[in-house]
Amino acid sequence: NAGVMQNPRHLVRRRGQEARLRCSPMKGHSHVYWYRQLPEEGLKFMVYLQKENIIDESGMPKERFSAEFPKEGPSILRIQQVVRGDSAAYFCASSPPGSPSYEQYFGPGTRLTVT
Amino acid sequence: SQKIEQNSEALNIQEGKTATLTCNYTNYSPAYLQWYRQDPGRGPVFLLLIRENEKEKRKERLKVTFDTTLKQSLFHITASQPADSATYLCALDNQAGTALIFGKGTTLSVSS
Repeated sequence: NAGVMQNPRHLVRRRGQEARLRCSPMKGHSHVYWYRQLPEEGLKFMVYLQKENIIDESGMPKERFSAEFPKEGPSILRIQQVVRGDSAAYFCASSPPGSPSYEQYFGPGTRLTVT
Repeated sequence: SQKIEQNSEALNIQEGKTATLTCNYTNYSPAYLQWYRQDPGRGPVFLLLIRENEKEKRKERLKVTFDTTLKQSLFHITASQPADSATYLCALDNQAGTALIFGKGTTLSVSS
């Protein structure tokens, strides 16, 4: 039973480029969450999605950031025109159907470096 | 808005002792509280969940208490081992029940 998978594990982008982060939830899980962790800071919630729906995007910057969880395929977090401040570890988590913020299962993260 | 504080950034103890980590929260009454472990370069791993109507929960060497009057949770690791060295995160559900709010974590170091 594979856990939450994220790729790539490391991503280097120059300022102004686009970053695409992918997340495959655990089998049977229908809730996906994205979090960002900056150095010396805690995990910050960005967005919560179910299949084909964004349920809560209150933690996501209004500009340059978008997320989707299509009917088929992984969830994607997209950052357009990256800036140095976007450098962080981005974690995806999933949880089974039911209460959305019960225990969450995290992936290994994608470490984004913007040069 | 909800605030979570974990009282110390770092805790150093000797092997075999009990480690006690504190999590305080304000401005909110969560339905439940969770504890996660995070190792360097890895994602958090779920450890325990305790509901508002539960005072205490145990799992092997781990014990969590939840005092809704004090708005505080204590996380204990008994008979600690060097392998317990990690960062421990406290998390609450947000008021909408759509996400977790995490504390900054306490980094525990257990020396042999």
